Amino acid sequence: EAQVTQNPRYLITVTGKKLTVTCSQNMNHEYMSWYRQDPGLGLRQIYYSMNVEVTDKGDVPEGYKVSRKEKRNFPLILESPSPNQTSLYFCASSFLSGGGPGETQYFGPGTRLLVL
Amino acid sequence: EDQVTQSPEALRLQEGESSSLNCSYTVSGLRGLFWYRQDPGKGPEFLFTLYSAGEEKEKERLKATLTKKESFLHITAPKPEDSATYLCAVRTMTTDSWGKLQFGAGTQVVVTP
Repeated sequence: EAQVTQNPRYLITVTGKKLTVTCSQNMNHEYMSWYRQDPGLGLRQIYYSMNVEVTDKGDVPEGYKVSRKEKRNFPLILESPSPNQTSLYFCASSFLSGGGPGETQYFGPGTRLLVL
Repeated sequence: EDQVTQSPEALRLQEGESSSLNCSYTVSGLRGLFWYRQDPGKGPEFLFTLYSAGEEKEKERLKATLTKKESFLHITAPKPEDSATYLCAVRTMTTDSWGKLQFGAGTQVVVTP
């Protein structure tokens, strides 16, 4: 079954404690992306990757890091989480089309993060 | 600055009562406008992509249209299972944003029997 998986699905942590949210896709997609979703603000792009070892900033990259060492995995790293990073996070993937995300972007189930 | 605005924020419909959602955009060169549906607690699910003014796409009770400044998602004779938040997103032509997608805040639709 074609899918994007994220782990963990729920996470409560404290300010400053490094954490990693994993994302994996089984569709051989080149493009992967991380978003955060906050009430009233919609989905905002954090980072995206066009292929292995190719990553770039989205609209809200501050406080986040990513890496793309393998095609299927795109982890999101919070080196020193703060309460303003409390949010619902989504990973997504697609094939590339015209140099960017393709028509159909598949989203993971989301990771709900609470930073105390 | 690129902007994507969706209206209304929320919409309550009776079953069978057709309506339209709006997604207006001010971007420097559109490379695609996407519509997604999102159910509570789940990730968005792709519905349509539109590329040029005048283009239309349909799927069951949903029809998406595109002009040079906005897109509409028409819901014809909605059913309760059409209740969801509908999101639009745009890809733009600026050279430093080939991989970026910008989303609107969404329209929450509730269809009552």
